[in-house]
Amino acid sequence: KQEVTQIPAALSVPEGENLVLNCSFTDSAIYNLQWFRQDPGKGLTSLLLIQSSQREQTSGRLNASLDKSSGRSTLYIAASQPGDSATYLCAVRPPAGANSKLTFGKGITLSVRP
Amino acid sequence: NAGVTQTPKFQVLKTGQSMTLQCAQDMNHNSMYWYRQDPGMGLRLIYYSASEGTTDKGEVPNGYNVSRLNKREFSLRLESAAPSQTSVYFCASSYYTGTSSVDEQFFGPGTRLTVL
Repeated sequence: KQEVTQIPAALSVPEGENLVLNCSFTDSAIYNLQWFRQDPGKGLTSLLLIQSSQREQTSGRLNASLDKSSGRSTLYIAASQPGDSATYLCAVRPPAGANSKLTFGKGITLSVRP
Repeated sequence: NAGVTQTPKFQVLKTGQSMTLQCAQDMNHNSMYWYRQDPGMGLRLIYYSASEGTTDKGEVPNGYNVSRLNKREFSLRLESAAPSQTSVYFCASSYYTGTSSVDEQFFGPGTRLTVL
């Protein structure tokens, strides 16, 4: 059974710092990996999706990398801002037919201090 | 595009009452999902529908039923609500072709349900 781990559960950094959020998964046979952002009391917003054949994806100040063989993904946030404060979740999808069941990590709650 | 919409946003029920959570998407997606999110448990899949007319159980289906009314709409029904079903419920959708690994899921804003 696939398990997704995100450590630490919470992180506090000063504004302007470059930071890395980690995501690890136990089964390397994945279809893709998706990073989400969740603001308090809100739904999930998709940030980046990395296909199994890709090594990384970039969107603005965000860069996500994928190393399937080691079961790891990282989300790099450059020049962090208070507006980046949120919970960041990663989720992996197995390569199984039409059963697109995502397995989620429990998220990392990021606080960026002004 | 509104994306994925859910109604209601908030609901309080008494034990034993029934209700239906509504979800609709306007992105022409074929797959739709219902999740629940609980503190310390993360997001767990309740039911999903790979296409109109099909539904399958997820990780925690007990106590729930679903209906894929058409391609746009996917509803979740609680027949006899229990306090253990107090949670935040999210609907999501994606466009899965079966051959492409670009299967990005988009989420609705959630329904916050309390069962007393």
